[in-house]
Amino acid sequence: DAGVTQSPTHLIKTRGQQVTLRCSPKSGHDTVSWYQQALGQGPQFIFQYYEEEERQRGNFPDRFSGHQFPNYSSELNVNALLLGDSALYLCASSLRGSNQPQHFGDGTRLSIL
Amino acid sequence: GESVGLHLPTLSVQEGDNSIINCAYSNSASDYFIWYKQESGKGPQFIIDIRSNMDKRQGQRVTVLLNKTVKHLSLQIAATQPGDSAVYFCAENIHHDYKLSFGAGTTVTVRA
Repeated sequence: DAGVTQSPTHLIKTRGQQVTLRCSPKSGHDTVSWYQQALGQGPQFIFQYYEEEERQRGNFPDRFSGHQFPNYSSELNVNALLLGDSALYLCASSLRGSNQPQHFGDGTRLSIL
Repeated sequence: GESVGLHLPTLSVQEGDNSIINCAYSNSASDYFIWYKQESGKGPQFIIDIRSNMDKRQGQRVTVLLNKTVKHLSLQIAATQPGDSAVYFCAENIHHDYKLSFGAGTTVTVRA
């Protein structure tokens, strides 16, 4: 039973560029959340997708956008990259509803030069 | 993650001893809590969860205790092993909210 898978594992971009990160949820899960984890910090919630729509958003600018596909997989897009966007980007999947355990992938390490 | 915090950023434990990792939360509306383990280069791994209608929950070698009166959560690991070395996070969720709020984490190092 495959867990949450993310691609790519590492990515290097320059300021001003755009990036797309991908996530496949754990089998049986229909909800995908994205988190940003800076070095030495806990993950910070970016947004959650359910039924192909953004259901909730954290305190991130609209340079961060996402998409969920009919097969429940998801993409995170970041435009106009800043140096401060360098972080580990984590995808978590769960069943619909609040108070559900979220299971994480191993993340994409994004470095901005 | 601002409302969830850990008492100690680091914990050093002798192999075979029991570990206790603490977490304080400030949002009284939080009703669901999860402990995660994150090893270097990996994503957070689910350990155990507890809902606010419970005070204690046990898993394999782990026990989570919830004290709603003082808004305190702890994770106990029995017979700590070298493979338990990692960063441990507590996360909270408010009912009808979908995000998890994380604290900064506790780094556990197991001494041989």
